[in-house]
Amino acid sequence: DTAVSQTPKYLVTQMGNDKSIKCEQNLGHDTMYWYKQDSKKFLKIMFSYNNKELIINETVPNRFSPKSPDKAHLNLHINSLELGDSAVYFCASSQGAGGLYEQYFGPGTRLTVT
Amino acid sequence: AQRVTQPEKLLSVFKGAPVELKCNYSYSGSPELFWYVQYSRQRLQLLLRHISRESIKGFTADLNKGETSFHLKKPFAQEEDSAMYYCALDSSNTGKLIFGQGTTLQVKP
Repeated sequence: DTAVSQTPKYLVTQMGNDKSIKCEQNLGHDTMYWYKQDSKKFLKIMFSYNNKELIINETVPNRFSPKSPDKAHLNLHINSLELGDSAVYFCASSQGAGGLYEQYFGPGTRLTVT
Repeated sequence: AQRVTQPEKLLSVFKGAPVELKCNYSYSGSPELFWYVQYSRQRLQLLLRHISRESIKGFTADLNKGETSFHLKKPFAQEEDSAMYYCALDSSNTGKLIFGQGTTLQVKP
């Protein structure tokens, strides 16, 4: 009965590779997000989709491309991985796109680029 | 630019002592402010939001627009309160949360 799930939990890869992280929510929410948490535990929003439409796109390198095949899924594809991409990536979802809606977070995916 | 500042990286108190986790924000309008908490080996979750004006697990937070602060308080800390606490701001009502750096609260027995 997991609300927001992410796969994989851990991802170790080499520089230059392309990788994807998947996120699924079974809460029936309309909005999904990707956050990046750096080594200092600082959380920063990357993207947000509402009903499969991109509504938030922060200053993220275009090597990062989110894809939302349906409302329940938001995947993150990263091309040409760099050392600085090492971080924990969190997916989240909320009922709507407004600030009044609680965001429900996934368990995180720890990406290590060597 | 909107910003959230949590000046303390680590706050260590003894059980039963009062706790105040500081949060200051920079935003000229009417912000939506939140406290999120991450307990060990658990997901980040909402603790409380200013608009609800509620007390959750004994914690309260009051929005002070004059001081642009949203400090989190609890009169008597419990060991189970030990966690990482994040203050967050949504200035555009889009769900775009701007997080502070986080404060680790350590409650010692």
